[in-house]
Amino acid sequence: DAGVIQSPRHEVTEMGQEVTLRCKPISGHDYLFWYRQTMMRGLELLIYFNNNVPIDDSGMPEDRFSAKMPNASFSTLKIQPSEPRDSAVYFCASSLSRRSSEQYFGPGTRLTVT
Amino acid sequence: DAKTTQPPSMDCAEGRAANLPCNHSTISGNEYVYWYRQIHSQGPQYIIHGLKNNETNEMASLIITEDRKSSTLILPHATLRDTAVYYCIVRAAGSARQLTFGSGTQLTVLP
Repeated sequence: DAGVIQSPRHEVTEMGQEVTLRCKPISGHDYLFWYRQTMMRGLELLIYFNNNVPIDDSGMPEDRFSAKMPNASFSTLKIQPSEPRDSAVYFCASSLSRRSSEQYFGPGTRLTVT
Repeated sequence: DAKTTQPPSMDCAEGRAANLPCNHSTISGNEYVYWYRQIHSQGPQYIIHGLKNNETNEMASLIITEDRKSSTLILPHATLRDTAVYYCIVRAAGSARQLTFGSGTQLTVLP
């Protein structure tokens, strides 16, 4: 398996623009997680899905952030409108429920909002 | 989930064993100890986990004290590629909640 795939790997955008980050989990995994990492706050969970259904979105910072999982092999994290403080590395991770604590992370998307 | 305490940084000579400690004095009976690491600019990587018995896999060994209040991750023969931030996480297994990452230990393997 190719592991968790994220795109794009780098994104530079201007404040106010819409940003869409994409994730393909490992085939067969039924949990998907979106994390954000910054120097100030470290790694923090934004939202996670089980069987394509959002379970906990309490980490989503505000209404500008939204996430969807239309099917088992694809998820998006959208920021609209983007702000400079959204600059961070965004990681997607997936896991099997029976071994739920072994989360497999993608390479991340480095987002820079100018 | 129980809180963990790790030293902020450690050095280790290449080829020697790296022993990374973690304190988790408030761990409860159903909580496991997990270790992840994050090599610079990459996503975190699962290493190993355990409940009360010592565990070993191809990457590392995990030693948990009898009272389970602390543990040590051992990389038997550290290489330069093991330079990373190592996170010790305590949580109950069986529920796919999020992992709560602390500050971790920056391990630097020196040539």
